[in-house]
Amino acid sequence: SQQGEEDPQALSIQEGENATMNCSYKTSINNLQWYRQNSGRGLVHLILIRSNEREKHSGRLRVTLDTSKKSSSLLITASRAADTASYFCATGDDKIIFGKGTRLHILP
Amino acid sequence: SAVISQKPSRDICQRGTSLTIQCQVDSQVTMMFWYRQQPGQSLTLIATANQGSEATYESGFVIDKFPISRPNLTFSTLTVSNMSPEDSSIYLCSVARGPGDTQYFGPGTRLTVL
Repeated sequence: SQQGEEDPQALSIQEGENATMNCSYKTSINNLQWYRQNSGRGLVHLILIRSNEREKHSGRLRVTLDTSKKSSSLLITASRAADTASYFCATGDDKIIFGKGTRLHILP
Repeated sequence: SAVISQKPSRDICQRGTSLTIQCQVDSQVTMMFWYRQQPGQSLTLIATANQGSEATYESGFVIDKFPISRPNLTFSTLTVSNMSPEDSSIYLCSVARGPGDTQYFGPGTRLTVL
């Protein structure tokens, strides 16, 4: 079964706006990872956040983690057309389990 | 990070046949995994490829259908046996240097079974 559940399942925003995706999980974790996948291609690793971290940044990406609520969010600021992709959260140490993903579409 | 290659990148196969997918990493890694992604779906873990021993399969996946080899720390194969159209998916290998480390993915193999 899948550990993470992303919300929303799909999101369309105008280019330049910020996009926020959420991930909820069920059991305790040591870390959580976010990935991007463009049009059914391979997965690109975005950020790994550990359970003792609350926030992490990478360029236009900001990831937060709230272990008390068992949730994480991915914020993409100043979105671009190239950000159009599916985004997945994944949890686990020795093997990782993926959520269903959020399909993000950036409108020109 | 690790550079991962997969062969073939795509294939179209007839039902009843088998296809072996190769995964090569540019450095030694402790952990290797195989995932399946059915059309429009998320990734599902098939098995953990163990170096020098039998793979560890997830619920719903069996060795007879998806035999896996991992002869060393940089290479693994996944065979999809006796294929049916339901096996049409993207198959991805992934690697991690150790538990809790970042997991990297190969480009995937897109399989279509007619």
